Amino acid sequence: GAGVSQSPRYKVAKRGQDVALRCDPISGHVSLFWYQQALGQGPEFLTYFQNEAQLDKSGLPSDRFFAERPEGSVSTLKIQRTQQEDSAVYLCASSANPLGNQPQHFGDGTRLSIL
Amino acid sequence: GNSVTQMEGPVTLSEEAFLTINCTYTATGYPSLFWYVQYPGEGLQLLLKATKADDKGSNKGFEATYRKETTSFHLEKGSVQVSDSAVYFCALIRGGGGADGLTFGKGTHLIIQP
Repeated sequence: GAGVSQSPRYKVAKRGQDVALRCDPISGHVSLFWYQQALGQGPEFLTYFQNEAQLDKSGLPSDRFFAERPEGSVSTLKIQRTQQEDSAVYLCASSANPLGNQPQHFGDGTRLSIL
Repeated sequence: GNSVTQMEGPVTLSEEAFLTINCTYTATGYPSLFWYVQYPGEGLQLLLKATKADDKGSNKGFEATYRKETTSFHLEKGSVQVSDSAVYFCALIRGGGGADGLTFGKGTHLIIQP
């Protein structure tokens, strides 16, 4: 597709349920990033993939958060045993190559609400 | 660690006014600097960037200059329009060449009144 696609656009779950959020990056983009954006705040880095390799997961807030990109394209962010503090917009971004000065292209995000 | 501080909003201006949104940063080495914009109901879009000291990024009438001596990257526009109403984020990525997560400021909500 022309841009980064995320699904679902909105997700409501009960506390304790597991959720899975999907990201389709721009075709051919090597680098993929996940961010968490709380209401009224800037996005905060969660994790980074270069192709299928997860090179940095230092931003994942707990071991309930897990991300994968098994074939170096589509990525899934999974949150187990969700808590209310997990409510946020989850953003995915991709960039063409692993150079730090390359722009990251963002999807529209998944708004997650935990009841 | 890296951090970005930008002026709190909302910032309310009249159409055709001059705009400045301040951004300062803390980082090791020589980061690349970015401004992203989020229009209502849309995702984050790159507005402009600068990758080394004294570089000026520009796009859609907006400009920002990478000032290493003051660790700043202030966003300016000479004459704003109603369509510029959005949330603006200043961000950096660490120097050193490798890809990395962006560090964002909290965002500045800009409201332009006709």
